[in-house]
Amino acid sequence: SAVISQKPSRDICQRGTSLTIQCQVDSQVTMMFWYRQQPGQSLTLIATANQGSEATYESGFVIDKFPISRPNLTFSTLTVSNMSPEDSSIYLCSVVGDLRYGYTFGSGTRLTVV
Amino acid sequence: GDSVTQMEGPVTLSEEAFLTINCTYTATGYPSLFWYVQYPGEGLQLLLKATKADDKGSNKGFEATYRKETTSFHLEKGSVQVSDSAVYFCALKSSSNTGKLIFGQGTTLQVKP
Repeated sequence: SAVISQKPSRDICQRGTSLTIQCQVDSQVTMMFWYRQQPGQSLTLIATANQGSEATYESGFVIDKFPISRPNLTFSTLTVSNMSPEDSSIYLCSVVGDLRYGYTFGSGTRLTVV
Repeated sequence: GDSVTQMEGPVTLSEEAFLTINCTYTATGYPSLFWYVQYPGEGLQLLLKATKADDKGSNKGFEATYRKETTSFHLEKGSVQVSDSAVYFCALKSSSNTGKLIFGQGTTLQVKP
């Protein structure tokens, strides 16, 4: 199955600033997704990262707050903009390569906004 | 829209007890179904999956059978260990081309020695 390197693993940020999270995959994958996991909660899909075009956002998430890039089939970034304490969550990258192995998740970025 | 409902936790069991975590889903067509596990402080790992009705997924002593008639995918293990303590997520991928996973709310399992 695909191996994902997600960076940073954790960060503590000041409110009003932005953080960019990187997701690097060791092989080309067709689909990449970004999820948010708020403390003690399940995973909520933020958006599907589309290669060469704008990301597809889920209801409740907007590009100005969560801009996403996907310049090629192995890399994507998620930026959390103008952060507030409510953005404190774990953010996870997920990819689909070979469906025999299901979806692979990165180890997550644990973000704390103070 | 598609959705997944899991039994509420936390579930607390003694070592070697039998485990069942219920999962039911609502979806059009024929979704694929998954169980993921999240150990403390770690990311999600695929535990098992099933892609069509009556398929049984199994891994590490865990099993789940895709029951279309009851729209269920209950997770079972005959004898749990302390090391099984984690959060378990049921998820589905719809038969549409969006490819996204929809997760249940997660069930925390604590196994005591």
